[in-house]
Amino acid sequence: NAGVMQNPRHLVRRRGQEARLRCSPMKGHSHVYWYRQLPEEGLKFMVYLQKENIIDESGMPKERFSAEFPKEGPSILRIQQVVRGDSAAYFCASSRAGQGSNQPQHFGDGTRLSIL
Amino acid sequence: QKEVEQNSGPLSVPEGAIASLNCTYSDRGSQSFFWYRQYSGKSPELIMFIYSNGDKEDGRFTAQLNKASQYVSLLIRDSQPSDSATYLCAPKGGTSYGKLTFGQGTILTVHP
Repeated sequence: NAGVMQNPRHLVRRRGQEARLRCSPMKGHSHVYWYRQLPEEGLKFMVYLQKENIIDESGMPKERFSAEFPKEGPSILRIQQVVRGDSAAYFCASSRAGQGSNQPQHFGDGTRLSIL
Repeated sequence: QKEVEQNSGPLSVPEGAIASLNCTYSDRGSQSFFWYRQYSGKSPELIMFIYSNGDKEDGRFTAQLNKASQYVSLLIRDSQPSDSATYLCAPKGGTSYGKLTFGQGTILTVHP
């Protein structure tokens, strides 16, 4: 297992439920990024985390969305009280720590979230 | 002005031809530039990155960067039908230190 691992691959929730998306970075990577791709739209940045720290959450909706990357275990993107508009593909990417902004990000296969 | 602009296409080229994909960006502080390929229903796959002005070649791919013109391009030589995908340009750095800011992508179709 050398790649970024996301689970589940597909997640179905009813309106008002909670969705939890998990991401384990590539081996040797300590930076995690979450992106969302709405149907027929481009990839949009949501949040950038390092272990136990949120570095940039400028792309996160102000309500219902949260993210964490604990000292142990995967990064979690949590969406509370889901609505139909949350239906999208959620991608996690990871990178090494490194100088400046030069480290490339590698993407997982994504979680396709569907809200009934 | 959009932060990252790409022609959405579709760009159609015959098999064996050179495909030229272009991207302009607004953040002059951008330091590194990434090209991703995304097949329909799949995740983005990193294919090239470039940091310095000029050309960078990797197999059939060449990335070109001109920071003064805020322009980056990707050339695909000897295009194959398997290259048919959406190509995403993503600058990083400057005001967006960690995050990638993606363009809408250019849809490339390589026809036999």
